[in-house]
Amino acid sequence: EPEVTQTPSHQVTQMGQEVILRCVPISNHLYFYWYRQILGQKVEFLVSFYNNEISEKSEIFDDQFSVERPDGSNFTLKIRSTKLEDSAMYFCASRRGQYTDTQYFGPGTRLTVL
Amino acid sequence: SQELEQSPQSLIVQEGKNLTINCTSSKTLYGLYWYKQKYGEGLIFLMMLQKGGEEKSHEKITAKLDEKKQQSSLHITASQPSHAGIYLCGADTPGGGNKLTFGTGTQLKVEL
Repeated sequence: EPEVTQTPSHQVTQMGQEVILRCVPISNHLYFYWYRQILGQKVEFLVSFYNNEISEKSEIFDDQFSVERPDGSNFTLKIRSTKLEDSAMYFCASRRGQYTDTQYFGPGTRLTVL
Repeated sequence: SQELEQSPQSLIVQEGKNLTINCTSSKTLYGLYWYKQKYGEGLIFLMMLQKGGEEKSHEKITAKLDEKKQQSSLHITASQPSHAGIYLCGADTPGGGNKLTFGTGTQLKVEL
């Protein structure tokens, strides 16, 4: 069964460093998402991406964040200058279409900012 | 903005017992998802409900969406240790990308 994959599974970085989190969505899916979950808190929406552009972003997704689909398969989230409060589990998700299609999640990347 | 409230926040049941988890929305639900999460891990899709009154089952788990489409329930029959985890409801939120808005989660422990 097709699945969303994410790399790395765990990333440790120093405050102020740039990180890139990678995702490979399911191949025939058109809508891509990043969410994050701070330990013990809700899963929060960051950004959605469709047709090579951002379709919606949350207040969390400020200028320090960017997303890219550099080729036909990868979907990346970049954090330019990490802060301590960026420490969280980051989930990538994809869905084939809107409304009637299920949103499938990857296993997550645990980001620890020291 | 849409808010989802789950109850109970946590639940401990003995193996073999039935249980129900509720998810109440502040707005009409267009699509309601149930996911299961092991602590610190990814979200496993369980079921999606869209129509008022809809009910779906998979193995020993049944989910329902009420007629008014503002509440959903997840019922587990004859619970097993493998059912332990965090259950999350998520709602399709109309907008540019149809993001999901999640509830706070219900932590389920199943005791032998």
